[in-house]
Amino acid sequence: DTAVSQTPKYLVTQMGNDKSIKCEQNLGHDTMYWYKQDSKKFLKIMFSYNNKELIINETVPNRFSPKSPDKAHLNLHINSLELGDSAVYFCASSQGPWGYTFGSGTRLTVV
Amino acid sequence: GENVEQHPSTLSVQEGDSAVIKCTYSDSASNYFPWYKQELGKGPQLIIDIRSNVGEKKDQRIAVTLNKTAKHFSLHITETQPEDSAVYFCAANTGNQFYFGTGTSLTVIP
Repeated sequence: DTAVSQTPKYLVTQMGNDKSIKCEQNLGHDTMYWYKQDSKKFLKIMFSYNNKELIINETVPNRFSPKSPDKAHLNLHINSLELGDSAVYFCASSQGPWGYTFGSGTRLTVV
Repeated sequence: GENVEQHPSTLSVQEGDSAVIKCTYSDSASNYFPWYKQELGKGPQLIIDIRSNVGEKKDQRIAVTLNKTAKHFSLHITETQPEDSAVYFCAANTGNQFYFGTGTSLTVIP
């Protein structure tokens, strides 16, 4: 079983559209994250949720909204997509600072 | 917050040679330093980590060293193989949050 799974793996969409990326972890971890990886491979944290509560919200446009229905799921909804949103988005989970596990990524391309 | 710097950004070595990647951090409270390997099209995967009460840790061909006084830590890969080719990231924690280095693209030439 995949520990951290995110869907879809690829997402191609037009500017101005709204899209969602889903993430689920079966590790029993209490914290989940969303990271953005740009074309230069730089990993930047976007959000962190602990037991369904937002604990980190880095400087991210408010077009990005995370939603955590339970501690095993953290979804990312993006409104009014822009060209600059094109990147690979990674979900991750951890138990405290330990056992940080990443999903396989969602490659978002905005055209 | 934490600032993690990583060098070099690219590294090419001949198969069988050693590779060393270095990172520095700024937050003296950081106490956990993992290293991740990211293969093409995949998410980063933890390969080794070290906690601040340890100076060195080894796992087969991979070792990590930590100098808390100087605030730097390094990844050493010996007897490199083509399958070691990937992007490697160091990270340091501030509480439960990790800050990642900018990555090193390692190429092992057969």
